[in-house]
Amino acid sequence: KQEVTQIPAALSVPEGENLVLNCSFTDSAIYNLQWFRQDPGKGLTSLLLIQSSQREQTSGRLNASLDKSSGRSTLYIAASQPGDSATYLCASLRGYSGGGADGLTFGKGTHLIIQP
Amino acid sequence: GAGVSQSPSNKVTEKGKDVELRCDPISGHTALYWYRQSLGQGLEFLIYFQGNSAPDKSGLPSDRFSAERTGGSVSTLTIQRTQQEDSAVYLCASSSRASGSEQYFGPGTRLTVT
Repeated sequence: KQEVTQIPAALSVPEGENLVLNCSFTDSAIYNLQWFRQDPGKGLTSLLLIQSSQREQTSGRLNASLDKSSGRSTLYIAASQPGDSATYLCASLRGYSGGGADGLTFGKGTHLIIQP
Repeated sequence: GAGVSQSPSNKVTEKGKDVELRCDPISGHTALYWYRQSLGQGLEFLIYFQGNSAPDKSGLPSDRFSAERTGGSVSTLTIQRTQQEDSAVYLCASSSRASGSEQYFGPGTRLTVT
């Protein structure tokens, strides 16, 4: 059974800093890995999707990397802003040898606070 | 364009009553997913549909839970004889195809069982 772990569970940094959020997964046979942000009382907003054949994806100030062999992904946030404050979740989609898919397996998230 | 919508946004029900939660996926998305988010368990996958078919229902927490999808579009998650442990936020997501594409989430339905 896939297990996804996110470290740290919480992080508070001053505005302007670059930061890295970590995600690890136990089963490297993944189809893809997706990073989300969740604001209090809201649904999930997709940030980046990395397919299993890719090493990284970038969107604006966000960069996500994937190392399947070591079972790790990182989300790098450059020049953090107070509006980045949210819970960040990583999730993996298990691959099946016969194709098809299953649901995402989520980590418990990193609660990020950017201090103005 | 319109995203994934869910209704109701909030539902308070008495223990033992049945509830029905609705999800409208993004138009044209063939895959639809249900998840549950609770304080103790985090986000857990419940069931997924490819078209109107759910290949694997083993993620549903108990036989009180059922889900269906009609016309390859709207899906309903039904919880019979609700229990207090069913209290959670129920999230729906859709993607353009089942294998490997990005999932887009709705705002969720917050269910409170009193």
